[in-house]
Amino acid sequence: EDKVVQSPLSLVVHEGDTVTLNCSYEVTNFRSLLWYKQEKKAPTFLFMLTSSGIEKKSGRLSSILDKKELFSILNITATQTGDSAVYLCAVEPGNTPLVFGKGTRLSVIA
Amino acid sequence: SQTIHQWPATLVQPVGSPLSLECTVEGTSNPNLYWYRQAAGRGLQLLFYSVGIGQISSEVPQNLSASRPQDRQFILSSKKLLLSDSGFYLCAWSGARNSPLHFGNGTRLTVT
Repeated sequence: EDKVVQSPLSLVVHEGDTVTLNCSYEVTNFRSLLWYKQEKKAPTFLFMLTSSGIEKKSGRLSSILDKKELFSILNITATQTGDSAVYLCAVEPGNTPLVFGKGTRLSVIA
Repeated sequence: SQTIHQWPATLVQPVGSPLSLECTVEGTSNPNLYWYRQAAGRGLQLLFYSVGIGQISSEVPQNLSASRPQDRQFILSSKKLLLSDSGFYLCAWSGARNSPLHFGNGTRLTVT
């Protein structure tokens, strides 16, 4: 059975801290791994990763994939209160829809 | 540009009543369409997905059903709601393979 596990489940940090969110997976015929940010409503797309070792970056957020060890990390540097959200990791297996992890709830306090 | 519309935003329904949630996509043709449910602490659960008109795949057996009467319209229904149907329902679409899912704003359903 395809599986995506995120850790930690929740995290509280202070503004300015750097955080690392983890996502490990077991899927058949891996195609891609995606990260989403969910505040109050719709998850919004952050990154799609298909190749190992290539960092994707957007402002203070970055992510990298390790297809040998079957995991990805999402880094957020110099965190702000606006980064508070649930971060979802999802993996696309062969010919089936995305499999989502349970998410990491990040709280950034001033 | 593509947009996805989902309504209503919130809904309170009594047990045993019917349900109809609607989702439409604009700016693309033949999208893959999805219904997810999100319960606290349980992540996103895929309920149904569709790769074309009239083609529905069900992931979780339950008292919900889905239909796709038009290319860019996806409807989630129930004849009789249960208390356990309460949750946050998200519609999503994707294009070609290796393209990300894009979500609607969701419907928060409370069954009383």
